[in-house]
Amino acid sequence: ETGVTQTPRHLVMGMTNKKSLKCEQHLGHNAMYWYKQSAKKPLELMFVYSLEERVENNSVPSRFSPECPNSSHLFLHLHTLQPEDSALYLCASSQDRMGTSGRTGELFFGEGSRLTVL
Amino acid sequence: QQQVKQSPQSLIVQKGGISIINCAYENTAFDYFPWYQQFPGKGPALLIAIRPDVSEKKEGRFTISFNKSAKQFSLHIMDSQPGDSATYFCAAGVLGRLYFGRGTQLTVWP
Repeated sequence: ETGVTQTPRHLVMGMTNKKSLKCEQHLGHNAMYWYKQSAKKPLELMFVYSLEERVENNSVPSRFSPECPNSSHLFLHLHTLQPEDSALYLCASSQDRMGTSGRTGELFFGEGSRLTVL
Repeated sequence: QQQVKQSPQSLIVQKGGISIINCAYENTAFDYFPWYQQFPGKGPALLIAIRPDVSEKKEGRFTISFNKSAKQFSLHIMDSQPGDSATYFCAAGVLGRLYFGRGTQLTVWP
């Protein structure tokens, strides 16, 4: 186990549904991330939170809405998604927001939530 | 624009053989080069990483070779085992951002 837990592991939703993905980290880390993993494409960074403050949003459509109520929990709220949003959504954490110490460090990933949009 | 180019897309190796995956980058500011391993149904996990002040790092059967002048780095898996069958991602990092390659699906036949 990596210490990063994601739920649900699988989710099927229609284009008009509203659902949420949840991530919890048990590592005492200060930074959390959402990544999108699509087949044959590089991992895409979506959002970065550092000490509950969103510090990065990589031009992600507004139909994805992140929430970080505390340093251990991260949510991704989904609404009116498109079929092309079907992918594996990975949560990750790191000790500090990568780069704050001047050095890039290790990311710890969860097992992902496999999302299918019909 | 793809920051890190990874090849091959898939690789089949016989048990006991050497698996080699290559990555290339353009941004000379990158200062961190990790390799992540991902098994089906799991998230990526850090396998081994190198910083540009060394040309090689070895951990067990896994070795990173780094060529700063050519802006290339590679992962070598010696004595490949069926349990090494997974998807491998290279990445390059700077200022806290990691840029991932597209991944290489490795299959090791017994």
